[in-house]
Amino acid sequence: GQQLNQSPQSMFIQEGEDVSMNCTSSSIFNTWLWYKQDPGEGPVLLIALYKAGELTSNGRLTAQFGITRKDSFLNISASIPSDVGIYFCAGHKTGNQFYFGTGTSLTVIP
Amino acid sequence: GAVVSQHPSWVICKSGTSVKIECRSLDFQATTMFWYRQFPKQSLMLMATSNEGSKATYEQGVEKDKFLINHASLTLSTLTVTSAHPEDSSFYICSASLGSGNTIYFGEGSWLTVV
Repeated sequence: GQQLNQSPQSMFIQEGEDVSMNCTSSSIFNTWLWYKQDPGEGPVLLIALYKAGELTSNGRLTAQFGITRKDSFLNISASIPSDVGIYFCAGHKTGNQFYFGTGTSLTVIP
Repeated sequence: GAVVSQHPSWVICKSGTSVKIECRSLDFQATTMFWYRQFPKQSLMLMATSNEGSKATYEQGVEKDKFLINHASLTLSTLTVTSAHPEDSSFYICSASLGSGNTIYFGEGSWLTVV
């Protein structure tokens, strides 16, 4: 199925730094979801966004539903080693249609 | 959050045999479940959408006779890889949609190795 444009593809940062990643699409979504996947495991839902302009936090994570409904952002503040993993965005339109980003691989250097 | 469980977590089978992977929603009823395949360092590839009580909808290029999907109840969907070959070795993940269907939760994934 269709994939969303997610960037950056990979990030190497120092512990304590902030992280930003985003997903964009040429079409409108009604829901944006952000997941983290550790190696060899299934993705875990971090934040769900249901309304344009919505800004939601989950601990050190903050995500925003873009006002145009065509993009979403995820920020991680004060990164720690356990933040390492692959982060995926997912967009939902209607029915059973979910579209996934290509993933952002995050490496945190202690 | 909602819990989706997969079993087995990993399985090794001989080439030519069939293997079944289960996906269960433990604390909610899921009318729709999804099956994905994931290659190393790549994103999820949707294989099929499974609706309770009806036939699964397969994505283009996915062989429905090879990857049999059954969704007999609101809490269980199964993926059977028939006549498995080494190239079927992969990480298979399921997900289930909750409530109004705009949020999905993933299982832990199942590693399949065909020898």
